[in-house]
Amino acid sequence: HLVESGGVLVRPGGSLRLSCAASQFTFRNYNMNWVRQAPGKGLEWVSSISSSGNYIYYTASVRGRFTVSRANSKNSLFLQMNSLRAEDTAVYYCARESDRGWIDSWGQGTLVTVSS
Amino acid sequence: QVVLTQSPSASAPLGASVKVTCTLSSGHSNYAIAWHQQQPQKGPRFLMKISTDGSHIKGDGVPDRFSGSSSGAERYLTISSLQSEDEADYYCQTWGTAFHVFGPGTKVTVL
Repeated sequence: HLVESGGVLVRPGGSLRLSCAASQFTFRNYNMNWVRQAPGKGLEWVSSISSSGNYIYYTASVRGRFTVSRANSKNSLFLQMNSLRAEDTAVYYCARESDRGWIDSWGQGTLVTVSS
Repeated sequence: QVVLTQSPSASAPLGASVKVTCTLSSGHSNYAIAWHQQQPQKGPRFLMKISTDGSHIKGDGVPDRFSGSSSGAERYLTISSLQSEDEADYYCQTWGTAFHVFGPGTKVTVL
C-alpha cells in the first residue's frame, strides 16, 4: 500500500517535496520509483532509488533539479523538486519495483501544478 | 535505448475478446515487459509481467480473463469476456539497470 502526499500549486522556479508512505510490505527490501503523468498524457518514469538508497537514477529532463531519497526506518520515499517548470505539471505516482525489476505496485498519485 | 510501441486504440463488444500489442524496438526483442491498467480517473494497476517465452506472472486479484503471450519482439495482452470495467488505458513497461520505459498506451473501448 502506497500513499503519496505533498502535491500543490507552485510557481515556476519554485520547490516542492513529495512524500510516499508505504505499508503492508517490508519497505527496506524494495527498490522504489517515481512515475509521473502529465494531464491527458501517458506515464513517464522520473526516478529510481535502490533498497539501500545507494543507487539512484533519473530521467534526463529532471536530472540536476530533482532529488530522490528514502527513510527506511519510517517506510517513506521522498522526491525533492527544485527549479520547477510548467512541463513538470503532472500527477506523481510512487511505485514499487518487484525483486526482478518490473513495477508491481502503485500509489494513487498526487497532483503537482506549476503555474504562475 | 529501448522504445515500446503500442496502437493508440482497440475496441470490441461486451463479452468479446480484445488483444493489445506492445512492440519492442529493434535489437531489444529479448526484453520482458509488464502490463498496467489505468481506469478513468484512477492510478495505474499492475496486471502481469510477460517473459520472452510468453510465461507470465500476474498481479494480485487479476481476473483469469486477462492473459499474456509473446512472439518475437511483440508482447500481447488478451482480455477475454470483456466487461464494462475493462474500458481503460493499458500501458506496457520494460526496464533496465538504470531506467524504466513505458509505451504510449492503448485505449480499450468496450462497445
